Amino acid sequence: SQTIHQWPATLVQPVGSPLSLECTVEGTSNPNLYWYRQAAGRGLQLLFYSVGIGQISSEVPQNLSASRPQDRQFILSSKKLLLSDSGFYLCACIWRTEAFFGQGTRLTVV
Amino acid sequence: GIQVEQSPPDLILQEGANSTLRCNFSDSVNNLQWFHQNPWGQLINLFYIPSGTKQNGRLSATTVATERYSLLYISSSQTTDSGVYFCAVASGNTPLVFGKGTRLSVIA
Repeated sequence: SQTIHQWPATLVQPVGSPLSLECTVEGTSNPNLYWYRQAAGRGLQLLFYSVGIGQISSEVPQNLSASRPQDRQFILSSKKLLLSDSGFYLCACIWRTEAFFGQGTRLTVV
Repeated sequence: GIQVEQSPPDLILQEGANSTLRCNFSDSVNNLQWFHQNPWGQLINLFYIPSGTKQNGRLSATTVATERYSLLYISSSQTTDSGVYFCAVASGNTPLVFGKGTRLSVIA
């Protein structure tokens, strides 16, 4: 089965600082990869998804960007964090229609 | 896009009770999944069930695709069942769209 590695687990960053969250996948090749954000402990909002290397689709215009430099690597970035970027970020892999999630990164922007 | 509504938003149960969680969706789908998010935030895939009925221990799920709803049944609930239950759907190759979840609290 697929294993999703996501780090760090928690992160506290000042407003205006950069961000880089990394997600890597084991156990499959050419997966569809996703970044979701969960605010206030409820509801997952799709941020980005990727069907292959270098292919990124953005669902919500915002302060974040994503990149997929390798088949099993998906990175979420920001050049300057805002307070509103705080939340719980989840990386997901969909393989054969089923979704598997990483353990998430809890980001607090102060 | 597809809209997903889950009910109830919150549910409190006594240990040992049964419950039914509902997921309504606005369009035909070819992918429907139920997830449990534990208190530490981890999302666990419970069922992949775009149609029909499945059972896994005390949990079962039924999706009536023609009527655009799915039900998740929890029997003999335990405190470890607490958390948020999400329904997520997709149509074609679109990404999964999540409902807002049902927060379940099982008390001893």
